[in-house]
Amino acid sequence: DVKVTQSSRYLVKRTGEKVFLECVQDMDHENMFWYRQDPGLGLRLIYFSYDVKMKEKGDIPEGYSVSREKKERFSLILESASTNQTSMYLCASSSTGGATDTQYFGPGTRLTVL
Amino acid sequence: GEDVEQSLFLSVREGDSSVINCTYTDSSSTYLYWYKQEPGAGLQLLTYIFSNMDMKQDQRLTVLLNKKDKHLSLRIADTQTGDSAIYFCADLVSNSGYALNFGKGTSLLVTP
Repeated sequence: DVKVTQSSRYLVKRTGEKVFLECVQDMDHENMFWYRQDPGLGLRLIYFSYDVKMKEKGDIPEGYSVSREKKERFSLILESASTNQTSMYLCASSSTGGATDTQYFGPGTRLTVL
Repeated sequence: GEDVEQSLFLSVREGDSSVINCTYTDSSSTYLYWYKQEPGAGLQLLTYIFSNMDMKQDQRLTVLLNKKDKHLSLRIADTQTGDSAIYFCADLVSNSGYALNFGKGTSLLVTP
């Protein structure tokens, strides 16, 4: 079974702090994604990566950066957290060239910025 | 990305069929997906359909695709209280890299 894990289920941070959200997948997937999920807005893509050290902006990259130093790990960084970044963050991975390009999701990190 | 639209809420009685509808705008969509999210959890792939198919059945789930109208539906037969969740429709567009384009999700409430 594919497993995507996220470092924390719940996180509380203060405005201005630097925040790291970690995601690890164990299926040697090339592609990894970070989304945020907000009520009434669904899932919005922040960044994705299709290879080590490669990254592409999604629909809402402002205020975020990412790091992909190893194939299995994709980190989302909030350089200076703000209250409007309070949200549920979901990581996903997929395999290039797979039959369906299905994305497998982690359990999510609920981040609260005070 | 292009729009994927879903109704936000659906309420059904236990044992009835549920039909969740989705429309998409990009005619180059190659795969279309249904994901389920239970409270407090991540998204779980339920089923998918390739764009050259018009129907796919998987136990209690039936997916219908009308490519001409860009309309996708998910039918859940004999709906149970455990089916209460948010259901997301998503499409994969062949020339957009590997990201999926999600709808806002339909909250399904199953009442006894």
